Amino acid sequence: NAGVTQTPKFQVLKTGQSMTLQCAQDMNHNSMYWYRQDPGMGLRLIYYSASEGTTDKGEVPNGYNVSRLNKREFSLRLESAAPSQTSVYFCASSTFEALVGPDTQYFGPGTRLTVL
Amino acid sequence: GNSVTQMEGPVTLSEEAFLTINCTYTATGYPSLFWYVQYPGEGLQLLLKATKADDKGSNKGFEATYRKETTSFHLEKGSVQVSDSAVYFCALSRIQGAQKLVFGQGTRLTINP
Repeated sequence: NAGVTQTPKFQVLKTGQSMTLQCAQDMNHNSMYWYRQDPGMGLRLIYYSASEGTTDKGEVPNGYNVSRLNKREFSLRLESAAPSQTSVYFCASSTFEALVGPDTQYFGPGTRLTVL
Repeated sequence: GNSVTQMEGPVTLSEEAFLTINCTYTATGYPSLFWYVQYPGEGLQLLLKATKADDKGSNKGFEATYRKETTSFHLEKGSVQVSDSAVYFCALSRIQGAQKLVFGQGTRLTINP
């Protein structure tokens, strides 16, 4: 049981390049999330997917797109990378159900991205 | 809007010292509150949570009580160990289609032997 996995672990891009960060979970969770972590700012939500087939913007969606490929996988795409997108990116998943209430979010190990 | 404020770090303590990390929140309605911990080079792990006022969350010797009257959720531990060195995040949960977490800025804790 691997939990939440992310690839790659590290990436260096030049300004204007594109890339996709991959995330997969094997816990049969409905909801998946992408966060970015910047020094002194905690984690901020970029996009989330409440269930397979749906995606919604979070707090800082500009410059990103997402795809919920199936129940297991949720990818984050940077179409034209900018230095302001240098950050550590975390994927998370949870089995949130509205009638049950808040549940634990499980986080992947993160992707450290540098945009030059 | 919803926000979380944590005490500024970094915090450095000696082993067996008492720990308090302050956390206050601003929220509409009645959010659930969480403490997550991030060990070096790893993702975040849930440490404890509380879902309603006066609930106490506890795990691994850490405790936090949901205080609605002071909008606080301070993290405490009676005797810290070197292995507790990590970054600690306070967070609240908003339910809007999915469970969205709002995080504080994190507090880096270092425990010296």
